Amino acid sequence: AQSVAQPEDQVNVAEGNPLTVKCTYSVSGNPYLFWYVQYPNRGLQFLLKYITGDNLVKGSYGFEAEFNKSQTSFHLKKPSALVSDSALYFCAVRDIGLTGGGNKLTFGTGTQLKVEL
Amino acid sequence: DGGITQSPKYLFRKEGQNVTLSCEQNLNHDAMYWYRQDPGQGLRLIYYSQIVNDFQKGDIAEGYSVSREKKESFPLTVTSAQKNPTAFYLCASTPVDRLVSDYSNQPQHFGDGTRLSIL
Repeated sequence: AQSVAQPEDQVNVAEGNPLTVKCTYSVSGNPYLFWYVQYPNRGLQFLLKYITGDNLVKGSYGFEAEFNKSQTSFHLKKPSALVSDSALYFCAVRDIGLTGGGNKLTFGTGTQLKVEL
Repeated sequence: DGGITQSPKYLFRKEGQNVTLSCEQNLNHDAMYWYRQDPGQGLRLIYYSQIVNDFQKGDIAEGYSVSREKKESFPLTVTSAQKNPTAFYLCASTPVDRLVSDYSNQPQHFGDGTRLSIL
């Protein structure tokens, strides 16, 4: 089975400060990990993914994420937050060991990021 | 521009009525998915299809039906058997890596959703 947890329903940060949105996962094999962002009444937009290799993954809009296998975490980070980063962020996992299932992803419950002036 | 188009953006269902949500993509993706989003629950998979004329149940398929007659289209019907249909419905698609037949590392592309409410 595959699962993902986003322990914080909401994260507040001041503009210009670094931000972190937390994600932990559970898989029986190795994971593919994804971050998505959702603005109100819109679909999800892909930010970045971890497949293999470098533990630090860089993505769109200045976001990056660090894969930590020992802690089973994939936290999303940005060095300097913008008010326009305010949105709902989802972490998702795919267990590579699962056969079939057609790229079935399991999503976290989402973290609302609020960046204030 | 390539993308996924969901229609309508807002939909209202009467008691005992079936309603159909449209999802069309021009990305030439083989795999398509339907998710339901409820506040605080993330996305839950309803149905998915990896190829035309084939589809599989997801985690919450009861009360829903789909068809996949064309590669570009994956409509979702919310039947009267779905007793709590009020939600935001999202359609997604994924490309297939023909060289390795493994598309599980490809990100899913999403439409802008349909919000379904009960009258």
